[in-house]
Amino acid sequence: GEDVEQSLFLSVREGDSSVINCTYTDSSSTYLYWYKQEPGAGLQLLTYIFSNMDMKQDQRLTVLLNKKDKHLSLRIADTQTGDSAIYFCAESSNDYKLSFGAGTTVTVRA
Amino acid sequence: DTAVSQTPKYLVTQMGNDKSIKCEQNLGHDTMYWYKQDSKKFLKIMFSYNNKELIINETVPNRFSPKSPDKAHLNLHINSLELGDSAVYFCASSHRGYGYTFGSGTRLTVV
Repeated sequence: GEDVEQSLFLSVREGDSSVINCTYTDSSSTYLYWYKQEPGAGLQLLTYIFSNMDMKQDQRLTVLLNKKDKHLSLRIADTQTGDSAIYFCAESSNDYKLSFGAGTTVTVRA
Repeated sequence: DTAVSQTPKYLVTQMGNDKSIKCEQNLGHDTMYWYKQDSKKFLKIMFSYNNKELIINETVPNRFSPKSPDKAHLNLHINSLELGDSAVYFCASSHRGYGYTFGSGTRLTVV
């Protein structure tokens, strides 16, 4: 994850919005992804965005991409207890490699 | 049908042993990967095969040897296991660098 950085922890109250931020360094990134990992489980693809897009919305999830600043964010609306997990930002370019950030542990409190 | 399946799910073994992890994908993808997730949840690529050809080989001890008998399979063999090899190993596949799909992981514990 030296090419992809994200904050390590986020605590949010149930019903509020969560915003997870990520920065990356590779200007040739073509796709940027958000994965979710629940305890003891595998990696679930939540959403992705192509590098020529600014925003993508999918139900409670909104992805914002600022290509100039190489900044990606994931907003989860109406956060629920089931959203507690580790969220990984990842980027891919033409080198057939997916590079991950260190993961943000999201804790939802009642 | 599971898209990317890997076996076994759990593997507990003694130091010095040799073990293999198998992976199969039924998505028709052309590229397969092995990733290692350490105890701090950090995910790092180990190997990548495109159409059975090794294209990425990160700094991994040569005790780790991948084998891709065909486009749908990528196995990982580990010789002389060490305590530091304990981790979760994820297999993944993609098509032309897009649509990355991960298996459910193999938790390897070396005692």
